[in-house]
Amino acid sequence: GEDVEQSLFLSVREGDSSVINCTYTDSSSTYLYWYKQEPGAGLQLLTYIFSNMDMKQDQRLTVLLNKKDKHLSLRIADTQTGDSAIYFCAASPGNTPLVFGKGTRLSVIA
Amino acid sequence: DADVTQTPRNRITKTGKRIMLECSQTKGHDRMYWYRQDPGLGLRLIYYSFDVKDINKGEISDGYSVSRQAQAKFSLSLESAIPNQTALYFCASQPGQGAEEQYFGPGTRLTVT
Repeated sequence: GEDVEQSLFLSVREGDSSVINCTYTDSSSTYLYWYKQEPGAGLQLLTYIFSNMDMKQDQRLTVLLNKKDKHLSLRIADTQTGDSAIYFCAASPGNTPLVFGKGTRLSVIA
Repeated sequence: DADVTQTPRNRITKTGKRIMLECSQTKGHDRMYWYRQDPGLGLRLIYYSFDVKDINKGEISDGYSVSRQAQAKFSLSLESAIPNQTALYFCASQPGQGAEEQYFGPGTRLTVT
C-alpha cells in the first residue's frame, strides 16, 4: 500500500522561506495534500495538487510535485511565527482513504 | 458552529472500562473517519465509513469498534480500554473521493490509567 514519508522537524527564522519535503510510494496517487495542525486543534487543509500538475501557487504557498521521483514539497515564503505548526503530507491512492505522513513540526524563530 | 464536533473533548478512564467517543457532522457528508494521533507516529486510520451501510477497518482497528448510526453520526468504542490506547483521537468527514477536503473535528484526548 501507499507509504508517505516526511522529516519530523524543521526550524527556520522569521522572514525566511520554509521548505517541507515529502515522498510517497504509490504512483497511482491522484491527489496529494498538505494539511496544517495548529496546537490543540484538528487538521485543516492548506492546499492540494493533482498528479498531472508540476506546481501550484497560492499566495505564500508553493507546492512542487516531481511525479517521477514521487516527491512533493511545500514552500512557505516569508515564514511568520503564526506558521509554527505540524504540517502533514497526504496521498490519495484511488478510492481509498488518505494516507498521511508522520507530520513535520515547523518551528519559527523570531 | 463547528462542522465536525467530537464529545467528550477530554476523557480519563481506567483500564478495562468500555468507553465511547462520539462524532457528529453537519455538512451532509457521506464519508467519515476515525484516526488516532500519537507523537512521532502521525495520524493512523482506525475505521472508516463511505456511507451509512458501509464500515471498513483501517490500519489499527484491533481493540476498537464503530457504529454509523446515521449519515451525520459516527461513534468509536473501546470495548476494554488499555493504557496504550492513550492518544488523541480525531474524527473527520468528507463529501466524496477525489480532491474533496477532509474536515477534522477538534479531537478527543483520551487517557487510560
